Amino acid sequence: DADVTQTPRNRITKTGKRIMLECSQTKGHDRMYWYRQDPGLGLRLIYYSFDVKDINKGEISDGYSVSRQAQAKFSLSLESAIPNQTALYFCATSDGLAGGVSTDTQYFGPGTRLTVL
Amino acid sequence: AQSVAQPEDQVNVAEGNPLTVKCTYSVSGNPYLFWYVQYPNRGLQFLLKYITGDNLVKGSYGFEAEFNKSQTSFHLKKPSALVSDSALYFCAVRGGNTGFQKLVFGTGTRLLVSP
Repeated sequence: DADVTQTPRNRITKTGKRIMLECSQTKGHDRMYWYRQDPGLGLRLIYYSFDVKDINKGEISDGYSVSRQAQAKFSLSLESAIPNQTALYFCATSDGLAGGVSTDTQYFGPGTRLTVL
Repeated sequence: AQSVAQPEDQVNVAEGNPLTVKCTYSVSGNPYLFWYVQYPNRGLQFLLKYITGDNLVKGSYGFEAEFNKSQTSFHLKKPSALVSDSALYFCAVRGGNTGFQKLVFGTGTRLLVSP
Protein backbone atom coordinates (compact mmCIF):
# COMPACT_ATOMS: atom_id res chain seq x y z
CA ASP A 1 0.00 0.00 0.00
CA ALA A 2 1.63 3.25 -1.16
CA ASP A 3 0.14 5.09 1.84
CA VAL A 4 2.56 3.25 4.12
CA THR A 5 6.22 3.55 3.24
CA GLN A 6 9.26 1.88 4.75
CA THR A 7 12.95 2.70 4.45
CA PRO A 8 15.27 1.12 3.66
CA ARG A 9 13.77 -1.66 1.56
CA ASN A 10 16.83 -3.82 1.93
CA ARG A 11 19.68 -3.74 4.42
CA ILE A 12 22.66 -5.93 5.09
CA THR A 13 24.55 -5.33 8.31
CA LYS A 14 26.96 -7.03 10.67
CA THR A 15 26.48 -8.50 14.10
CA GLY A 16 26.62 -5.85 16.83
CA LYS A 17 25.65 -2.91 14.64
CA ARG A 18 22.77 -0.58 15.49
CA ILE A 19 20.08 -0.47 12.85
CA MET A 20 17.02 1.74 12.45
CA LEU A 21 14.08 0.93 10.22
CA GLU A 22 11.68 3.74 9.45
CA CYS A 23 7.98 3.82 8.66
CA SER A 24 5.82 6.70 7.49
CA GLN A 25 2.12 6.79 6.69
CA THR A 26 -0.24 9.22 5.05
CA LYS A 27 -3.44 7.38 5.97
CA GLY A 28 -4.04 9.54 9.02
CA HIS A 29 -4.26 6.50 11.28
CA ASP A 30 -3.44 6.70 14.95
CA ARG A 31 -2.37 3.08 15.41
CA MET A 32 0.94 1.76 14.08
CA TYR A 33 2.61 -1.63 14.36
CA TRP A 34 5.89 -3.42 13.67
CA TYR A 35 5.93 -7.08 12.69
CA ARG A 36 8.57 -9.51 11.57
CA GLN A 37 7.96 -12.31 9.09
CA ASP A 38 9.95 -15.50 9.10
CA PRO A 39 9.38 -18.40 6.67
CA GLY A 40 6.84 -20.84 8.06
CA LEU A 41 6.02 -18.65 11.06
CA GLY A 42 3.69 -16.05 9.65
CA LEU A 43 3.84 -12.54 11.11
CA ARG A 44 4.69 -11.83 14.73
CA LEU A 45 4.04 -8.55 16.52
CA ILE A 46 7.10 -6.72 17.86
CA TYR A 47 5.66 -3.39 19.10
CA TYR A 48 2.52 -1.36 18.65
CA SER A 49 1.55 2.23 19.31
CA PHE A 50 -1.87 3.84 19.66
CA ASP A 51 -0.52 7.40 19.66
CA VAL A 52 2.71 9.29 20.21
CA LYS A 53 2.62 8.70 23.96
CA ASP A 54 1.27 5.16 23.95
CA ILE A 55 3.77 2.44 23.02
CA ASN A 56 3.38 -1.21 23.90
CA LYS A 57 5.40 -4.39 23.61
CA GLY A 58 4.22 -7.18 21.38
CA GLU A 59 5.02 -10.86 21.63
CA ILE A 60 8.68 -10.65 20.55
CA SER A 61 10.01 -7.26 21.70
CA ASP A 62 13.32 -8.46 23.18
CA GLY A 63 16.26 -6.96 21.28
CA TYR A 64 14.12 -4.24 19.71
CA SER A 65 13.07 -0.70 20.61
CA VAL A 66 10.75 1.78 18.93
CA SER A 67 10.14 5.49 18.70
CA ARG A 68 6.92 7.23 17.66
CA GLN A 69 8.21 10.58 16.47
CA ALA A 70 4.85 11.81 15.22
CA GLN A 71 1.43 10.43 14.38
CA ALA A 72 2.75 9.54 10.94
CA LYS A 73 6.17 8.13 11.87
CA PHE A 74 7.13 4.99 13.76
CA SER A 75 10.69 3.67 13.75
CA LEU A 76 12.10 0.34 14.86
CA SER A 77 15.64 -0.01 16.20
CA LEU A 78 17.87 -2.99 16.73
CA GLU A 79 20.38 -1.78 19.29
CA SER A 80 22.87 -4.57 18.64
CA ALA A 81 21.87 -6.71 15.70
CA ILE A 82 22.29 -10.47 15.82
CA PRO A 83 21.94 -13.04 13.00
CA ASN A 84 18.60 -14.43 14.23
CA GLN A 85 17.09 -11.00 13.63
CA THR A 86 17.48 -11.65 9.92
CA ALA A 87 13.90 -11.40 8.66
CA LEU A 88 11.39 -9.39 6.68
CA TYR A 89 10.03 -6.50 8.73
CA PHE A 90 6.65 -4.91 8.15
CA CYS A 91 5.10 -1.74 9.42
CA ALA A 92 1.32 -1.49 9.52
CA THR A 93 -1.32 1.07 10.45
CA SER A 94 -4.95 0.84 11.48
CA ASP A 95 -7.78 3.21 12.14
CA GLY A 96 -8.85 1.90 15.51
CA LEU A 97 -12.39 2.93 16.27
CA ALA A 98 -13.97 4.20 13.09
CA GLY A 99 -17.47 5.55 13.38
CA GLY A 100 -17.89 3.75 16.66
CA VAL A 101 -17.28 0.33 15.12
CA SER A 102 -13.96 -1.26 15.96
CA THR A 103 -13.00 -2.72 12.60
CA ASP A 104 -9.34 -1.80 13.06
CA THR A 105 -8.28 -3.18 9.69
CA GLN A 106 -4.51 -3.11 9.32
CA TYR A 107 -2.73 -1.84 6.21
CA PHE A 108 0.86 -2.83 5.55
CA GLY A 109 3.94 -1.23 4.09
CA PRO A 110 6.12 -2.96 1.48
CA GLY A 111 8.55 -4.38 4.03
CA THR A 112 12.26 -4.15 4.81
CA ARG A 113 14.42 -7.18 4.18
CA LEU A 114 17.13 -7.18 6.86
CA THR A 115 20.14 -9.50 6.79
CA VAL A 116 22.46 -9.66 9.79
CA LEU A 117 25.78 -11.34 9.05
CA ALA B 1 -5.44 -17.68 23.39
CA GLN B 2 -6.16 -16.79 19.80
CA SER B 3 -4.83 -19.00 17.04
CA VAL B 4 -5.17 -19.55 13.32
CA ALA B 5 -4.44 -22.69 11.34
CA GLN B 6 -3.83 -22.83 7.62
CA PRO B 7 -3.48 -26.59 7.09
CA GLU B 8 -2.03 -26.43 3.57
CA ASP B 9 1.41 -25.02 2.89
CA GLN B 10 0.62 -24.93 -0.82
CA VAL B 11 -2.46 -25.17 -3.02
CA ASN B 12 -2.15 -25.97 -6.70
CA VAL B 13 -4.95 -25.23 -9.13
CA ALA B 14 -5.29 -24.87 -12.87
CA GLU B 15 -6.30 -21.54 -14.35
CA GLY B 16 -10.06 -21.28 -14.73
CA ASN B 17 -10.79 -23.78 -11.99
CA PRO B 18 -12.28 -22.80 -8.62
CA LEU B 19 -9.89 -22.40 -5.74
CA THR B 20 -10.21 -22.75 -1.98
CA VAL B 21 -7.63 -21.79 0.64
CA LYS B 22 -8.52 -23.14 4.06
CA CYS B 23 -8.44 -21.40 7.43
CA THR B 24 -9.67 -22.40 10.86
CA TYR B 25 -9.46 -20.29 13.98
CA SER B 26 -9.78 -20.24 17.74
CA VAL B 27 -10.68 -17.07 19.61
CA SER B 28 -12.50 -15.87 22.72
CA GLY B 29 -15.68 -14.05 21.92
CA ASN B 30 -16.85 -13.13 18.48
CA PRO B 31 -14.13 -13.31 15.83
CA TYR B 32 -12.98 -10.62 13.47
CA LEU B 33 -11.47 -12.49 10.51
CA PHE B 34 -9.24 -11.21 7.73
CA TRP B 35 -7.53 -12.44 4.58
CA TYR B 36 -4.38 -10.83 3.21
CA VAL B 37 -2.35 -11.58 0.08
CA GLN B 38 1.38 -11.12 -0.35
CA TYR B 39 2.94 -10.90 -3.79
CA PRO B 40 6.72 -11.32 -4.19
CA ASN B 41 8.68 -8.35 -2.82
CA ARG B 42 5.47 -6.66 -1.71
CA GLY B 43 3.75 -6.05 1.58
CA LEU B 44 0.54 -7.69 2.68
CA GLN B 45 -2.51 -6.43 0.86
CA PHE B 46 -5.91 -6.52 2.54
CA LEU B 47 -8.41 -8.72 0.66
CA LEU B 48 -11.51 -8.95 2.83
CA LYS B 49 -12.80 -9.20 6.36
CA TYR B 50 -15.68 -10.64 8.36
CA ILE B 51 -16.95 -8.64 11.30
CA THR B 52 -20.62 -9.49 11.53
CA GLY B 53 -23.61 -10.08 9.30
CA ASP B 54 -23.72 -12.14 6.13
CA ASN B 55 -21.56 -15.25 6.34
CA LEU B 56 -20.38 -14.82 2.75
CA VAL B 57 -18.00 -11.92 2.43
CA LYS B 58 -16.91 -10.50 -0.90
CA GLY B 59 -13.55 -8.83 -1.33
CA SER B 60 -11.01 -7.57 -3.82
CA TYR B 61 -10.01 -9.26 -7.11
CA GLY B 62 -13.08 -11.52 -7.15
CA PHE B 63 -12.24 -13.31 -3.91
CA GLU B 64 -14.82 -14.23 -1.31
CA ALA B 65 -14.76 -16.03 2.00
CA GLU B 66 -17.33 -17.98 3.92
CA PHE B 67 -17.60 -17.70 7.68
CA ASN B 68 -18.76 -20.91 9.37
CA LYS B 69 -19.21 -20.47 13.09
CA SER B 70 -19.92 -24.12 13.90
CA GLN B 71 -16.78 -25.28 12.12
CA THR B 72 -14.75 -22.22 13.18
CA SER B 73 -13.62 -21.79 9.62
CA PHE B 74 -13.13 -18.90 7.21
CA HIS B 75 -12.12 -20.40 3.87
CA LEU B 76 -11.07 -18.16 1.01
CA LYS B 77 -12.61 -18.93 -2.37
CA LYS B 78 -12.63 -17.79 -5.97
CA PRO B 79 -14.84 -19.26 -8.70
CA SER B 80 -12.23 -19.07 -11.46
CA ALA B 81 -8.52 -18.82 -10.70
CA LEU B 82 -6.08 -16.65 -12.65
CA VAL B 83 -2.34 -17.18 -13.03
CA SER B 84 -1.92 -13.72 -11.50
CA ASP B 85 -3.57 -14.99 -8.30
CA SER B 86 -0.40 -16.95 -7.54
CA ALA B 87 0.84 -15.53 -4.24
CA LEU B 88 1.09 -16.16 -0.51
CA TYR B 89 -2.19 -15.89 1.38
CA PHE B 90 -2.55 -15.21 5.08
CA CYS B 91 -5.59 -15.67 7.29
CA ALA B 92 -5.74 -13.61 10.49
CA VAL B 93 -8.07 -13.40 13.47
CA ARG B 94 -8.74 -10.90 16.21
CA GLY B 95 -11.06 -11.27 19.15
CA GLY B 96 -14.07 -8.99 19.21
CA ASN B 97 -13.93 -8.28 22.93
CA THR B 98 -13.52 -4.72 24.12
CA GLY B 99 -10.03 -3.38 24.42
CA PHE B 100 -7.08 -4.05 22.17
CA GLN B 101 -6.93 -7.52 20.70
CA LYS B 102 -3.83 -8.25 18.66
CA LEU B 103 -4.15 -9.65 15.17
CA VAL B 104 -2.93 -13.26 15.01
CA PHE B 105 -1.77 -14.57 11.64
CA GLY B 106 -1.64 -18.05 10.22
CA THR B 107 1.58 -19.36 8.71
CA GLY B 108 0.42 -18.69 5.17
CA THR B 109 -0.62 -20.79 2.17
CA ARG B 110 1.14 -20.48 -1.14
CA LEU B 111 -1.27 -20.56 -4.06
CA LEU B 112 0.13 -21.68 -7.39
CA VAL B 113 -2.13 -21.30 -10.41
CA SER B 114 -0.85 -23.06 -13.51
CA PRO B 115 -1.73 -21.94 -17.06
